Amino acid sequence: QKEVEQNSGPLSVPEGAIASLNCTYSDRGSQSFFWYRQYSGKSPELIMFIYSNGDKEDGRFTAQLNKASQYVSLLIRDSQPSDSATYLCAVNMTKGGGSQGNLIFGKGTKLSVKP
Amino acid sequence: DTEVTQTPKHLVMGMTNKKSLKCEQHMGHRAMYWYKQKAKKPPELMFVYSYEKLSINESVPSRFSPECPNSSLLNLHLHALQPEDSALYLCASTREAGANVLTFGAGSRLTVL
Repeated sequence: QKEVEQNSGPLSVPEGAIASLNCTYSDRGSQSFFWYRQYSGKSPELIMFIYSNGDKEDGRFTAQLNKASQYVSLLIRDSQPSDSATYLCAVNMTKGGGSQGNLIFGKGTKLSVKP
Repeated sequence: DTEVTQTPKHLVMGMTNKKSLKCEQHMGHRAMYWYKQKAKKPPELMFVYSYEKLSINESVPSRFSPECPNSSLLNLHLHALQPEDSALYLCASTREAGANVLTFGAGSRLTVL
């Protein structure tokens, strides 16, 4: 089973709509969850992190975490063309080998916001 | 501007060359990382340095040799690379190892001919 899974997309939404990005993870002991945005040819930049079950809001972005379901999502309200990028979900690993304690990334979901 | 600086931004090298990638941060972070990212793939962890000591080597081939001269600098020495090693090499840092909020540098785009 893959450790962090995301739908690779592309996810296409019209400008002004809500974009919903989803991520599941396999390590039930994981405690920290991150969303990074990566524009083509650029490095990842942190959008949000969440540690507790429930919702966390920051401007147009809301992260949602459900540890029982091993599911984390990112909602982008009022999507803008400038939000078009690949969104990487990252989860800390608590078990197994050298990755323990470090972030493992999903493959990313490519989001396209159409004007 | 990123607080983690990587040089060079682009590097083209032959399979017999020796080159180095450099990374610098002045945030007082005590853990530094090398990730490798190929096109349309997620970043993959290569090495972790904690307090200037190598703490994690994710089974990376010996043609990649990391070095941490001090708490602000991290190098990646490259020798006898293969074309499949062409990728974006990302340096990152965190306040402490396992403190997961990674700050990435802009990356070094490596092409091996």
